[in-house]
Amino acid sequence: AQSVTQLDSQVPVFEEAPVELRCNYSSSVSVYLFWYVQYPNQGLQLLLKYLSGSTLVKGINGFEAEFNKSQTSFHLRKPSVHISDTAEYFCAVSKNQAGTALIFGKGTTLSVSS
Amino acid sequence: KAGVTQTPRYLIKTRGQQVTLSCSPISGHRSVSWYQQTPGQGLQFLFEYFSETQRNKGNFPGRFSGRQFSNSRSEMNVSTLELGDSALYLCASSSAGANTEAFFGQGTRLTVV
Repeated sequence: AQSVTQLDSQVPVFEEAPVELRCNYSSSVSVYLFWYVQYPNQGLQLLLKYLSGSTLVKGINGFEAEFNKSQTSFHLRKPSVHISDTAEYFCAVSKNQAGTALIFGKGTTLSVSS
Repeated sequence: KAGVTQTPRYLIKTRGQQVTLSCSPISGHRSVSWYQQTPGQGLQFLFEYFSETQRNKGNFPGRFSGRQFSNSRSEMNVSTLELGDSALYLCASSSAGANTEAFFGQGTRLTVV
């Protein structure tokens, strides 16, 4: 079985500050890792994913994440956030590379203020 | 190309009734996954269909069921609705290949009264 824990339910931050959203996972089998973003009243959009290779993954909108196998973590980072980054962020795992049958964390609400 | 389309967008049902939600995947996608999103439980995986067969199943009671048609369109059905079934139901489609991703629809907001 797989599970995902997002360590912070809410992260308030000022515009242009750096941010890190933390994600730990647990799985008895090999899994692939994903970060999704959800803007209000919308579906989910893929930010980035880790399948294999380099542990530092770059995604859309200036986000990046680092896979750490020993700590079973996949933290999401952005060096300088914008007001428009205000949204809910979900970390997820899947047993397949296409990201079907995703197991999600509870989500982290990122609130960016000026 | 057109995205994932879910219908209806909003639905209000009475406790005890049943409901059917529809998901039309992106053209060429054969995998459809369904998710339930609630404030308390977050996003939970319901089931995945691939080429008309249920390939994966989450931990939901038998009142939740689904199917997929030969054109890859999928429906999910919830029977004997309970107040706790009120949620945003999302579906995602994928071509299920290695260099692809799952694309989500905007969801169906179900309210059970």
